Amino acid sequence: DAKTTQPNSMESNEEEPVHLPCNHSTISGTDYIHWYRQLPSQGPEYVIHGLTSNVNNRMASLAIAEDRKSSTLILHRATLRDAAVYYCILRDVSSSNTGKLIFGQGTTLQVKP
Amino acid sequence: GAVVSQHPSRVICKSGTSVKIECRSLDFQATTMFWYRQFPKKSLMLMATSNEGSKATYEQGVEKDKFLINHASLTLSTLTVTSAHPEDSSFYICSARDSASGRAKNEQFFGPGTRLTVL
Repeated sequence: DAKTTQPNSMESNEEEPVHLPCNHSTISGTDYIHWYRQLPSQGPEYVIHGLTSNVNNRMASLAIAEDRKSSTLILHRATLRDAAVYYCILRDVSSSNTGKLIFGQGTTLQVKP
Repeated sequence: GAVVSQHPSRVICKSGTSVKIECRSLDFQATTMFWYRQFPKKSLMLMATSNEGSKATYEQGVEKDKFLINHASLTLSTLTVTSAHPEDSSFYICSARDSASGRAKNEQFFGPGTRLTVL
């Protein structure tokens, strides 16, 4: 499984934008880039995913590098409820794979009031 | 969004007993479900892939006789921890993929987790 690298932790101030980076230099053509987040003592929550183009949804934006070897999750205005562990995951959707998610260590985001 | 439930949310048992954890997709059908475990301050570790009507596929190092998985319907998968020991104490989380086209490839929906404590 292709691996991702994320900073262990990041800090942000409330109501400011947050840019969470992820490196995935060994990404293959059939890998989608997924982001999930996990609040304490809860199951992970889907945030966003993309393949090649930048993506926006109500929760966040995903900026994908042209060579796809890195991506950045953007929270436009961080709130205290955004404090969580953010996981960047590559998901292989080729027919030979179930598309299972392999979690790395993620980035722990702290949001300061 | 789609909802996945787990039952129980928390269980305490004695060493040597077996514990069953249920994972249900409440408003969608799931051909495939996944089981993870998570130790404190650690990431999720995939244990197995549960396929409706067939045997589960276990990840390397996970004992299939210890962690029995049954996926008898499109909305229910169960994980049974047999002869539980204190080292099996962990946070167990399931996820499910919507079998309907359009969402199947893109999202997994996670349950809230089950905290198992073995005394």
